[in-house]
Amino acid sequence: GEEVAQTPKHLVRGEGQKAKLYCAPIKGHSYVFWYQQVLKNEFKFLISFQNENVFDETGMPKERFSAKCLPNSPCSLEIQATKLEDSAVYFCASRLFIAGEQYFGPGTRLTVT
Amino acid sequence: DQQVKQNSPSLSVQEGRISILNCDYTNSMFDYFLWYKKYPAEGPTFLISISSIKDKNEDGRFTVFLNKSAKHLSLHIVPSQPGDSAVYFCAASDTGTASKLTFGTGTRLQVTL
Repeated sequence: GEEVAQTPKHLVRGEGQKAKLYCAPIKGHSYVFWYQQVLKNEFKFLISFQNENVFDETGMPKERFSAKCLPNSPCSLEIQATKLEDSAVYFCASRLFIAGEQYFGPGTRLTVT
Repeated sequence: DQQVKQNSPSLSVQEGRISILNCDYTNSMFDYFLWYKKYPAEGPTFLISISSIKDKNEDGRFTVFLNKSAKHLSLHIVPSQPGDSAVYFCAASDTGTASKLTFGTGTRLQVTL
C-alpha cells in the first residue's frame, strides 16, 4: 500500500499477558523500523529489518521482546509477559533505501493494566 | 544521554509570521537530519530533511538550516498557518551505520489567529 499500516490501533493487556502488534510497510520498502514512544514525547528505537533480516537490534529488550518480518506477511512485534512499563505507543516506520526519510504508521497504543 | 535536544517545549506564533524551531545535537557522527510533524493520536509525518553536505534545504514554506560547527539545526516556517499547529520533532541519523533515527523531545507549535 501507499501508507504504513499498523494493527491493532489499541491493545489492552493484563500484566503478564502476551501482546502482539503488526505492521505492513509501504509496498516496495525494504527497511522496517520499530519505535516505542513513552511519556508522550520520547521516542526509543527498538529494532530494524532489511527485508526479513534483522538489521539493527540494539534497542530491543531481549528478554521479553521479539520481532519478525517474514516474506508476504506483516511484520510483527511481540512482547511476552507484559509489564506496566511496556505501556506506550509503538510506531512502525518503513524506508525505501538504506538512507533517507522514514514513513511512519499511525501507531498501536498498548496499555498494560 | 540525550543526543538530540529541542530546548523549547512550546512556541506560540501569530498567523502569517515566521516560526523558528531549534534543535541541537551532540553526536558528530550524525550526517542526516529530518523534521517531523505530529498531530495527537497520529504517527509522525515527514516534513523536510537535510544532509550534512548542505547547509540549507527549502521546500515551499519550510526551510531547514544546518550549522555543523555549532551542531545546530533549525526549521523555519513562513508564513505560519493555523494548520501548522502540532508537535515538531527533530531527528538525526548516522547513515554510515544502522540509520535508526534519534529523536528530540519535540516542540509544540501553536499558531494563533
